[in-house]
Amino acid sequence: GDSVTQMEGPVTLSEEAFLTINCTYTATGYPSLFWYVQYPGEGLQLLLKATKADDKGSNKGFEATYRKETTSFHLEKGSVQVSDSAVYFCGRGFLPAGGTSYGKLTFGQGTILTVHP
Amino acid sequence: DSGVTQTPKHLITATGQRVTLRCSPRSGDLSVYWYQQSLDQGLQFLIQYYNGEERAKGNILERFSAQQFPDLHSELNLSSLELGDSALYFCASSGPRGAADTQYFGPGTRLTVL
Repeated sequence: GDSVTQMEGPVTLSEEAFLTINCTYTATGYPSLFWYVQYPGEGLQLLLKATKADDKGSNKGFEATYRKETTSFHLEKGSVQVSDSAVYFCGRGFLPAGGTSYGKLTFGQGTILTVHP
Repeated sequence: DSGVTQTPKHLITATGQRVTLRCSPRSGDLSVYWYQQSLDQGLQFLIQYYNGEERAKGNILERFSAQQFPDLHSELNLSSLELGDSALYFCASSGPRGAADTQYFGPGTRLTVL
């Protein structure tokens, strides 16, 4: 079935360090790929997304490229800030060929990121 | 603010009881999704409604049910509650393109079963 595997956490970095959070997915159907972020006590917010192979999603300095050949969607940021401390979820949607409106999202287990000053 | 509202924010109840969680989607969104977030299971998809009809089902227990009303708000009903049902329940909404559309999440309802 559909699954998403994320890099185990927690991840602890110093401010201005480089961040990579690995994410791989099962390649059934034609998935859209997402990164969501959850700040303490809040719901999930979309960080970025990509809907087809080789697409690059980017937002707030974060980037991820949809790699069909490696079934990966790794999240990167060149210089993290304390305010980036949160839980990051990689997710894949399921869109059957020719289908619409089916919206199940499968998420990875989440990666806790802590950034120290 | 995602535009998705959920009530109540917190709910504390006892085992065996029944509760109803409510969600109002963003204006214009036809799809509503329910997710459960717990420490041991992570973030799991429960069910999706599209314009009043059930569209996709995930790991939803038979003790749980949901519906979407003509005004597009949705309710998740949890009955015969067990300790293990304690979790954060999120509602999300999206436009008509399903998984190709961004899902916007509400702030969640934290359910504690004692």
